[in-house]
Amino acid sequence: EAAVTQSPRNKVTVTGGNVTLSCRQTNSHNYMYWYRQDTGHGLRLIHYSYGAGNLQIGDVPDGYKATRTTQEDFFLLLELASPSQTSLYFCASSEGLGGPYEQYFGPGTRLTVL
Amino acid sequence: GQQVQQSPASLVLQEGENAELQCNFSSTATQLQWFYQSPGGSLVSLLSNPSGTKHTGRLTSTTVTKERRSSLHISSSQTTDSGTYLCAIDRAGGYKVVFGSGTRLLVSP
Repeated sequence: EAAVTQSPRNKVTVTGGNVTLSCRQTNSHNYMYWYRQDTGHGLRLIHYSYGAGNLQIGDVPDGYKATRTTQEDFFLLLELASPSQTSLYFCASSEGLGGPYEQYFGPGTRLTVL
Repeated sequence: GQQVQQSPASLVLQEGENAELQCNFSSTATQLQWFYQSPGGSLVSLLSNPSGTKHTGRLTSTTVTKERRSSLHISSSQTTDSGTYLCAIDRAGGYKVVFGSGTRLLVSP
């Protein structure tokens, strides 16, 4: 089974602060994703990547940068955090894109921006 | 409009009762996954069922692709089944996954 880990698990920062969320997957999956989850919106895709050095824009990219440094590691960067970015962030990975490939999720990072 | 709609929004059962969760989607999908999210927030894939019927343990999913709907049946519910069940599809073209807002299940002893 795919292993996806995230760090930190919880983070509190202030408005205007810089935050980096980390994700690592150990099953050699090609695709990695960053989602945010908010009440009333479900999970929404921020960015995704199909390999080291690649970045694709998701549905809610504003205010976020991301970087895929290796096949295993995908980072989400908030350079000027705002309270609207308080959310539960999930990283996921998949072998391929779309059917029949399943996405495997990390445990989530709860971010609070004061 | 919302591409994935789940019903009911919430469901309360007595332990041992069965649950039927629905997922309707408005666009063609080549992949459909059901997820369980624990009260603590962790997300676990339950099964992948883009078409037909699939069983795993006490779970049965039936997806009718042409009618753009899927169901998740939980038999003999247990208190540990409490949590939120999410349905997700990939859009036609497959480069994005869209999630429903979930069904919150509470199973009381």
